[in-house]
Amino acid sequence: GEDVEQSLFLSVREGDSSVINCTYTDSSSTYLYWYKQEPGAGLQLLTYIFSNMDMKQDQRLTVLLNKKDKHLSLRIADTQTGDSAIYFCAEYNNNDMRFGAGTRLTVKP
Amino acid sequence: EADIYQTPRYLVIGTGKKITLECSQTMGHDKMYWYQQDPGMELHLIHYSYGVNSTEKGDLSSESTVSRIRTEHFPLTLESARPSHTSQYLCASKRGAAPPGYGYTFGSGTRLTVV
Repeated sequence: GEDVEQSLFLSVREGDSSVINCTYTDSSSTYLYWYKQEPGAGLQLLTYIFSNMDMKQDQRLTVLLNKKDKHLSLRIADTQTGDSAIYFCAEYNNNDMRFGAGTRLTVKP
Repeated sequence: EADIYQTPRYLVIGTGKKITLECSQTMGHDKMYWYQQDPGMELHLIHYSYGVNSTEKGDLSSESTVSRIRTEHFPLTLESARPSHTSQYLCASKRGAAPPGYGYTFGSGTRLTVV
């Protein structure tokens, strides 16, 4: 299909790990991104991964890339209430950034 | 500190009015974009520009227009606002020659309500 796909909602308890999944469209996409949007704000770039990598870790964030299945995931360790936000997956190819519909993460105390 | 600015942050306006949403960036980025965001979160590209005097329509048909007379400024205009234009509008920019790993820089958005 033509869409970058994400599940719309995820709810976790504070302290647990969160895993947000994404399926992208183009196997030739060079970069894949995760953006975070807090209420009333624009999107903030969280992290990105180059297509020749399988994994990237940055403090509490781990990005896994499965090129064969065109599957990207974002794991947030020790999820905090401040992590509650909408998370967008995006792919970049040929000067074009294509976004998923966003996953709303709710963290319960 | 934001390097891309959108004004106003919130706007409530009557049907039929003409409005301009402002977007300015201080980073010298070549590429600028306007997205319309559904209440349900999804982003839709409505306009983009790769430089001065260059504007293109995006994936989602929009009754708005844009202009790019200066590198730093990319305003969006609705000639006659309608309730169906009620949405959040996000502006973004990217340096053309920068590695894609830099991603896009987004403004804080304008939430428009047409009554």
